[in-house]
Amino acid sequence: DGGITQSPKYLFRKEGQNVTLSCEQNLNHDAMYWYRQDPGQGLRLIYYSQIVNDFQKGDIAEGYSVSREKKESFPLTVTSAQKNPTAFYLCASSRDSNQPQHFGDGTRLSIL
Amino acid sequence: AQSVTQPDIHITVSEGASLELRCNYSYGATPYLFWYVQSPGQGLQLLLKYFSGDTLVQGIKGFEAEFKRSQSSFNRSKPSVHWSDAAEYFCAVNNNAGNMLTFGGGTRLMVKP
Repeated sequence: DGGITQSPKYLFRKEGQNVTLSCEQNLNHDAMYWYRQDPGQGLRLIYYSQIVNDFQKGDIAEGYSVSREKKESFPLTVTSAQKNPTAFYLCASSRDSNQPQHFGDGTRLSIL
Repeated sequence: AQSVTQPDIHITVSEGASLELRCNYSYGATPYLFWYVQSPGQGLQLLLKYFSGDTLVQGIKGFEAEFKRSQSSFNRSKPSVHWSDAAEYFCAVNNNAGNMLTFGGGTRLMVKP
């Protein structure tokens, strides 16, 4: 079955450490997205990519970085510059940026 | 800038009762509109979408939504709620300029037996 896979499901970060969240899709979608969700809140866009080797900042890109070297993969790195990284991170993809987005099951990041 | 407002943070209804989830948006033209559902610890699942045409959209699980341009709203309704409908629901707007999906803050639905 086609879908979006996020890993790991739970991740812990030490102070000053960078961590990378994985997102892989086999839907042949061009566009991919990363969102952050805090308790009781909606989703906020971190980064998005409409095509391979290209990506743009969303509303809250500071302290995060991404790459899009392959169509299927859009990893998100939470850097030590992100002072409040504890959140639920959701990856999504869509056929193009005007089509509905399909979501993975998320990664919950916590600070040790 | 576009924005989406879901006025009700929490709603509790009895099983079998009718339900309306409200969504208002702020955008200059007609946007693309979506409703998503999220179960605890899970990603979002698409329930409904409106791009153009008939303003009453049918979705899965007996839900429907109506786009009202004059009110800038895209409210979802269901005539009879089931316990399995308990979840968090998000309304979202795409500005159809090709890049941004803006979400509302969500409405958490609880269903009483």
